[in-house]
Amino acid sequence: EVQMVQSGAEVKKPGESLTISCKGSGYNFNNYWIGWVRQMPGKGLEWMGIIYPGDSDTRYNPSFQGLQGLVTISADKSLGTAYLQWSSLKASDTATYYCARSDGDSSGYFLDYWGQGTLVTVSS
Amino acid sequence: QSVLTQPPSVSGALGQRVTISCTGSSSNIGAGFHVHWYQQLPGSAPQLLIYRDNERPSGVPDRFSGSRSGTSGSLAITGLQADDEASYYCQSYDRSLSFYVFGSGTKVTVL
Repeated sequence: EVQMVQSGAEVKKPGESLTISCKGSGYNFNNYWIGWVRQMPGKGLEWMGIIYPGDSDTRYNPSFQGLQGLVTISADKSLGTAYLQWSSLKASDTATYYCARSDGDSSGYFLDYWGQGTLVTVSS
Repeated sequence: QSVLTQPPSVSGALGQRVTISCTGSSSNIGAGFHVHWYQQLPGSAPQLLIYRDNERPSGVPDRFSGSRSGTSGSLAITGLQADDEASYYCQSYDRSLSFYVFGSGTKVTVL
């Protein structure tokens, strides 16, 4: 059974750093892309970025202005775990973050197995 | 402003049929990229509902169906049930953005 299990809720202050995790199991972790999706309170879904653990190929959504450098997506093949990392949190980073396994082909990828979500609250 | 446009809300009586549109452009759906649909029940993580325009993952009832035509996709729910009350999101790939995009989301209310 494919499962994506995320780390627990976090409460942080502005300017602090944070790493949340997503452990995949029940499939070959190296062979599927993993996506990270943001959902701000009461809002819709936004696909932030995607990583292929097999070779660490990582893509970020250009719509997230300045996302690169502020947020880093990574993966550890040996642990079967993907990460979303912030170097300096802002109040506007308050959201629920989902990881999900991605499958598909050249006509498009979709997210077939989702984690339970990690609520990140940034407040002074 | 989402690249894929959905109606904010749709409602229907128990047992009725409702449809949700997902309007894109020649840069995404119209370029031949598939449309996928997700259901998000209140307080829960999203779940894949329809993939590659009209395919259902195992476990998804055949009351849910999808289609794609031109620059739009569509999700139909027949025999509406109380536990279909949820938000529904379409998703595709946008060639101009060179990334994946979600629709704005549609809240379905069962009357």
